[in-house]
Amino acid sequence: EDKVVQSPLSLVVHEGDTVTLNCSYEVTNFRSLLWYKQEKKAPTFLFMLTSSGIEKKSGRLSSILDKKELFSILNITATQTGDSAVYLCAGRSTDSWGKLQFGAGTQVVVTP
Amino acid sequence: EPEVTQTPSHQVTQMGQEVILRCVPISNHLYFYWYRQILGQKVEFLVSFYNNEISEKSEIFDDQFSVERPDGSNFTLKIRSTKLEDSAMYFCASRPGQVNTGELFFGEGSRLTVL
Repeated sequence: EDKVVQSPLSLVVHEGDTVTLNCSYEVTNFRSLLWYKQEKKAPTFLFMLTSSGIEKKSGRLSSILDKKELFSILNITATQTGDSAVYLCAGRSTDSWGKLQFGAGTQVVVTP
Repeated sequence: EPEVTQTPSHQVTQMGQEVILRCVPISNHLYFYWYRQILGQKVEFLVSFYNNEISEKSEIFDDQFSVERPDGSNFTLKIRSTKLEDSAMYFCASRPGQVNTGELFFGEGSRLTVL
């Protein structure tokens, strides 16, 4: 059975800190891994990773995929209170583009 | 920026009642999805819909559930006879048809409370 496991489940940091979120996956016929940010309701897209070792970057956020070790990390540098959210990772197989297998999420709280 | 819209934002219903949740996907998207998230649990896939038919569904999506695209814009999820365990946030999502555009765009969700 496919599964996606995120760690830690939650963390509290101070503004300006750097956080690293982990996502390990076991997805049959793996195609890509996606990261979403869920603040209150709708998950909003952050990154999609398909190739190993290629970092994707957007502002203070970056992510990388290791297809050999079956994990991904999401880094947030110089955190701000607006980064407080649940961060979700999801695996996708080649068999199904729309069926994402989500992890439980990591709740990040950034305190002033 | 185009977005997926869902109505209602919150619905409270009695067990056994029928519920229809509505979604307006982004206009040029071709693939449509329903996901749900029970409070405190993972986001779970329910069903995918393309070319006016279900392309894939999960074990959760039993005979009590149905989806429909009754016109060119709306995409609906119907739960025929709600159960307490159907209480959840239901997310609609859509994506364009291009193979290399893998991002799903999610709506704000419809919270369903079954009493």
